[in-house]
Amino acid sequence: KQEVTQIPAALSVPEGENLVLNCSFTDSAIYNLQWFRQDPGKGLTSLLLIQSSQREQTSGRLNASLDKSSGRSTLYIAASQPGDSATYLCAVERSAGTYKYIFGTGTRLKVLA
Amino acid sequence: DVKVTQSSRYLVKRTGEKVFLECVQDMDHENMFWYRQDPGLGLRLIYFSYDVKMKEKGDIPEGYSVSREKKERFSLILESASTNQTSMYLCASSLPRGAGKLFFGSGTQLSVL
Repeated sequence: KQEVTQIPAALSVPEGENLVLNCSFTDSAIYNLQWFRQDPGKGLTSLLLIQSSQREQTSGRLNASLDKSSGRSTLYIAASQPGDSATYLCAVERSAGTYKYIFGTGTRLKVLA
Repeated sequence: DVKVTQSSRYLVKRTGEKVFLECVQDMDHENMFWYRQDPGLGLRLIYFSYDVKMKEKGDIPEGYSVSREKKERFSLILESASTNQTSMYLCASSLPRGAGKLFFGSGTQLSVL
């Protein structure tokens, strides 16, 4: 059974700090892994998608890596800003068994000015 | 820009009412999904559809039904709303499995009184 875990559940950092969010999954049978951002009371916004054959993806100050063999992904945020405050979720798209996306429960990030 | 539109941002209904939540996507995506999101429980899949008139049960289909008569529209129906269906409902769409990103609507916060 695929399980997705995100640690820590919450994180508070001063503005300007570089930070890493972690996502781990138990089954390597995935098509891809996706990182999302969610602001309070809103839907999820896709940040980065890494296909299972890729090692990393970059967009602006964000860099996501994927190590499928160890079941881990990291989201690196450079030079954090108060506007980065949100909940970050990762999700894997299963390639075996019942088709679905499996979500982690998220990391709630607060960047202090 | 890609768009998934949910018909209502906030909805208040009475116990026993029939409730319709509508979702429209403009990306010609095959897959469409309905999730509910509750504090501490994360995102849970209610139903998904991989083609017109096709549907699959997710993890928590009880008390819900869905309709997909056109490719761009996926409706979630609460046959007889109950207070435990008070939640944030999120619609999403994607290309066929393995092909790409999952896109979300902005969500409907449903309160059943």
